[in-house]
Amino acid sequence: KAGVTQTPRYLIKTRGQQVTLSCSPISGHRSVSWYQQTPGQGLQFLFEYFSETQRNKGNFPGRFSGRQFSNSRSEMNVSTLELGDSALYLCASSPGQLSGNTIYFGEGSWLTVV
Amino acid sequence: AQKVTQAQTEISVVEKEDVTLDCVYETRDTTYYLFWYKQPPSGELVFLIRRNSFDEQNEISGRYSWNFQKSTSSFNFTITASQVVDSAVYFCALSDRGSTLGRLYFGRGTQLTVWP
Repeated sequence: KAGVTQTPRYLIKTRGQQVTLSCSPISGHRSVSWYQQTPGQGLQFLFEYFSETQRNKGNFPGRFSGRQFSNSRSEMNVSTLELGDSALYLCASSPGQLSGNTIYFGEGSWLTVV
Repeated sequence: AQKVTQAQTEISVVEKEDVTLDCVYETRDTTYYLFWYKQPPSGELVFLIRRNSFDEQNEISGRYSWNFQKSTSSFNFTITASQVVDSAVYFCALSDRGSTLGRLYFGRGTQLTVWP
Protein backbone atom coordinates (compact mmCIF):
# COMPACT_ATOMS: atom_id res chain seq x y z
CA LYS A 1 0.00 0.00 0.00
CA ALA A 2 1.50 3.32 -1.05
CA GLY A 3 2.18 5.85 1.69
CA VAL A 4 1.53 9.56 1.77
CA THR A 5 3.14 11.21 -1.23
CA GLN A 6 4.23 14.82 -1.28
CA THR A 7 5.51 16.86 -4.19
CA PRO A 8 7.78 18.59 -4.74
CA ARG A 9 10.34 17.36 -2.23
CA TYR A 10 12.59 20.39 -2.46
CA LEU A 11 12.02 23.86 -3.77
CA ILE A 12 13.54 27.31 -3.59
CA LYS A 13 11.41 30.42 -3.95
CA THR A 14 12.01 34.14 -3.78
CA ARG A 15 10.39 36.47 -1.28
CA GLY A 16 7.04 37.69 -2.52
CA GLN A 17 6.37 34.67 -4.72
CA GLN A 18 3.76 32.07 -4.04
CA VAL A 19 4.07 28.31 -3.77
CA THR A 20 1.75 25.33 -4.06
CA LEU A 21 2.52 22.02 -2.41
CA SER A 22 0.72 18.82 -3.22
CA CYS A 23 -0.19 15.79 -1.15
CA SER A 24 -1.69 12.42 -2.08
CA PRO A 25 -2.99 10.55 0.96
CA ILE A 26 -2.96 6.83 1.55
CA SER A 27 -5.60 5.14 -0.54
CA GLY A 28 -8.92 5.14 1.31
CA HIS A 29 -7.93 7.89 3.72
CA ARG A 30 -10.25 10.87 3.66
CA SER A 31 -8.57 13.19 6.14
CA VAL A 32 -5.54 15.23 5.18
CA SER A 33 -3.73 17.58 7.50
CA TRP A 34 -0.73 19.85 7.08
CA TYR A 35 2.04 20.81 9.48
CA GLN A 36 4.89 23.26 9.33
CA GLN A 37 8.17 22.31 10.97
CA THR A 38 10.86 24.85 11.77
CA PRO A 39 13.81 24.67 14.16
CA GLY A 40 12.42 27.56 16.18
CA GLN A 41 8.75 26.65 16.44
CA GLY A 42 8.82 22.89 16.06
CA LEU A 43 5.85 21.13 14.49
CA GLN A 44 2.85 23.38 14.10
CA PHE A 45 -0.57 22.45 12.80
CA LEU A 46 -1.75 24.36 9.73
CA PHE A 47 -5.13 22.87 8.80
CA GLU A 48 -7.07 19.69 8.32
CA TYR A 49 -9.49 18.66 5.58
CA PHE A 50 -12.06 15.93 5.40
CA SER A 51 -14.28 15.30 2.40
CA GLU A 52 -13.22 18.59 0.81
CA THR A 53 -14.15 20.61 3.92
CA GLN A 54 -11.72 22.35 6.21
CA ARG A 55 -12.56 21.13 9.70
CA ASN A 56 -9.78 22.62 11.72
CA LYS A 57 -7.28 25.43 11.31
CA GLY A 58 -4.17 26.40 13.20
CA ASN A 59 -2.95 29.87 14.03
CA PHE A 60 -1.41 30.94 10.74
CA PRO A 61 -2.01 34.08 8.66
CA GLY A 62 -4.38 34.08 5.72
CA ARG A 63 -1.43 33.75 3.32
CA PHE A 64 -1.58 30.05 4.11
CA SER A 65 -4.47 28.28 2.47
CA GLY A 66 -5.39 24.84 1.36
CA ARG A 67 -7.96 22.73 -0.33
CA GLN A 68 -8.93 19.14 -0.80
CA PHE A 69 -10.24 17.53 -3.94
CA SER A 70 -12.91 14.88 -4.37
CA ASN A 71 -10.24 12.18 -4.63
CA SER A 72 -8.88 13.30 -1.22
CA ARG A 73 -5.72 14.74 -2.69
CA SER A 74 -4.82 18.06 -1.12
CA GLU A 75 -2.87 21.16 -1.94
CA MET A 76 -1.63 23.97 0.24
CA ASN A 77 -0.68 27.38 -0.99
CA VAL A 78 1.43 30.09 0.54
CA SER A 79 1.20 33.50 -1.05
CA THR A 80 3.57 36.46 -0.71
CA LEU A 81 6.35 34.30 0.69
CA GLU A 82 8.46 35.57 3.56
CA LEU A 83 11.88 34.38 4.68
CA GLY A 84 10.26 32.94 7.79
CA ASP A 85 8.18 30.59 5.68
CA SER A 86 11.27 28.50 5.04
CA ALA A 87 10.41 25.19 6.59
CA LEU A 88 9.62 21.54 6.13
CA TYR A 89 5.95 21.17 5.26
CA LEU A 90 4.51 17.82 6.21
CA CYS A 91 1.29 16.33 4.98
CA ALA A 92 -0.48 13.61 6.91
CA SER A 93 -3.43 11.38 6.21
CA SER A 94 -5.77 9.30 8.30
CA PRO A 95 -9.00 7.42 7.73
CA GLY A 96 -10.76 10.35 9.33
CA GLN A 97 -14.17 10.54 10.93
CA LEU A 98 -13.21 9.31 14.38
CA SER A 99 -10.69 10.89 16.71
CA GLY A 100 -7.72 8.80 17.62
CA ASN A 101 -7.09 7.42 14.18
CA THR A 102 -3.45 6.84 13.45
CA ILE A 103 -2.07 9.68 11.40
CA TYR A 104 0.56 8.83 8.79
CA PHE A 105 2.98 11.36 7.42
CA GLY A 106 4.68 11.90 4.10
CA GLU A 107 8.33 12.73 3.57
CA GLY A 108 7.60 16.43 3.45
CA SER A 109 8.39 19.31 1.15
CA TRP A 110 11.47 21.33 2.01
CA LEU A 111 10.80 24.98 1.16
CA THR A 112 13.56 27.56 1.14
CA VAL A 113 12.66 31.21 0.68
CA VAL A 114 15.51 33.48 -0.39
CA ALA B 1 -5.30 23.25 26.85
CA GLN B 2 -3.28 20.48 25.31
CA LYS B 3 0.45 20.33 25.82
CA VAL B 4 3.22 17.81 25.31
CA THR B 5 6.59 18.22 26.98
CA GLN B 6 9.74 16.39 26.02
CA ALA B 7 12.27 17.76 28.45
CA GLN B 8 15.24 15.98 26.90
CA THR B 9 16.43 17.97 23.93
CA GLU B 10 19.36 15.73 23.05
CA ILE B 11 20.56 12.35 24.23
CA SER B 12 23.77 10.59 23.24
CA VAL B 13 24.46 6.96 23.97
CA VAL B 14 26.85 4.30 22.83
CA GLU B 15 25.56 1.34 20.88
CA LYS B 16 23.95 -1.41 22.97
CA GLU B 17 23.05 0.96 25.78
CA ASP B 18 19.41 1.23 26.80
CA VAL B 19 17.85 4.67 26.52
CA THR B 20 14.54 6.13 27.71
CA LEU B 21 12.87 9.11 26.12
CA ASP B 22 10.48 10.99 28.38
CA CYS B 23 7.12 12.45 27.46
CA VAL B 24 4.71 14.31 29.73
CA TYR B 25 1.34 15.47 28.48
CA GLU B 26 -1.51 17.71 29.56
CA THR B 27 -5.14 17.51 28.52
CA ARG B 28 -8.49 18.08 30.18
CA ASP B 29 -10.18 15.42 28.11
CA THR B 30 -10.69 11.97 29.59
CA THR B 31 -10.44 10.35 26.18
CA TYR B 32 -7.20 10.99 24.38
CA TYR B 33 -4.55 9.29 22.29
CA LEU B 34 -0.80 9.35 22.54
CA PHE B 35 1.66 8.72 19.76
CA TRP B 36 5.36 8.37 19.17
CA TYR B 37 6.97 9.21 15.85
CA LYS B 38 10.54 8.86 14.62
CA GLN B 39 12.01 11.43 12.26
CA PRO B 40 15.22 10.46 10.44
CA PRO B 41 17.22 13.14 8.57
CA SER B 42 15.12 12.56 5.44
CA GLY B 43 12.26 14.34 7.20
CA GLU B 44 9.44 11.82 7.15
CA LEU B 45 7.67 11.22 10.44
CA VAL B 46 7.51 7.48 10.91
CA PHE B 47 4.68 6.22 13.08
CA LEU B 48 5.80 4.01 15.95
CA ILE B 49 2.86 3.56 18.32
CA ARG B 50 -0.58 4.81 19.29
CA ARG B 51 -2.05 4.36 22.76
CA ASN B 52 -5.52 5.37 23.94
CA SER B 53 -6.21 6.74 27.40
CA PHE B 54 -8.15 3.68 28.51
CA ASP B 55 -5.36 1.25 27.86
CA GLU B 56 -2.55 1.55 30.37
CA GLN B 57 -0.89 -1.71 29.46
CA ASN B 58 2.73 -1.34 28.61
CA GLU B 59 3.72 -2.45 25.17
CA ILE B 60 6.80 -4.08 23.79
CA SER B 61 7.73 -4.34 20.14
CA GLY B 62 11.11 -5.86 19.58
CA ARG B 63 13.68 -3.53 21.11
CA TYR B 64 11.05 -0.83 21.69
CA SER B 65 8.84 -0.55 24.74
CA TRP B 66 6.43 2.05 26.02
CA ASN B 67 5.38 2.85 29.57
CA PHE B 68 2.08 4.69 29.92
CA GLN B 69 1.21 6.06 33.37
CA LYS B 70 -1.94 8.14 33.68
CA SER B 71 -1.16 8.97 37.30
CA THR B 72 1.89 10.96 36.22
CA SER B 73 0.61 11.87 32.72
CA SER B 74 3.63 10.26 31.16
CA PHE B 75 4.19 8.09 28.12
CA ASN B 76 7.85 7.14 28.06
CA PHE B 77 9.65 5.29 25.31
CA THR B 78 12.57 2.92 25.90
CA ILE B 79 14.93 1.52 23.31
CA THR B 80 16.80 -1.54 24.51
CA ALA B 81 20.26 -2.33 23.14
CA SER B 82 20.31 0.78 20.99
CA GLN B 83 21.76 0.71 17.49
CA VAL B 84 23.22 3.38 15.24
CA VAL B 85 20.11 3.16 13.04
CA ASP B 86 18.06 4.38 15.99
CA SER B 87 19.66 7.80 15.64
CA ALA B 88 16.85 10.24 14.83
CA VAL B 89 14.56 12.80 16.37
CA TYR B 90 11.71 11.26 18.31
CA PHE B 91 8.43 13.06 18.82
CA CYS B 92 5.68 12.40 21.30
CA ALA B 93 2.23 13.65 20.30
CA LEU B 94 -1.27 13.96 21.72
CA SER B 95 -4.68 13.92 20.12
CA ASP B 96 -7.95 14.39 21.97
CA ARG B 97 -11.55 15.11 21.18
CA GLY B 98 -11.11 18.74 22.15
CA SER B 99 -8.52 19.21 19.44
CA THR B 100 -10.96 18.06 16.80
CA LEU B 101 -10.16 15.40 14.29
CA GLY B 102 -6.88 15.11 12.55
CA ARG B 103 -4.88 17.37 14.79
CA LEU B 104 -1.84 16.34 16.77
CA TYR B 105 -0.09 18.35 19.45
CA PHE B 106 3.62 17.61 19.34
CA GLY B 107 6.41 17.91 21.83
CA ARG B 108 9.62 19.63 20.74
CA GLY B 109 11.29 16.31 20.09
CA THR B 110 14.34 14.52 21.45
CA GLN B 111 17.40 14.16 19.24
CA LEU B 112 18.87 10.72 19.89
CA THR B 113 22.39 9.99 18.72
CA VAL B 114 23.72 6.48 19.01
CA TRP B 115 27.48 6.18 18.61
CA PRO B 116 29.13 3.00 17.37
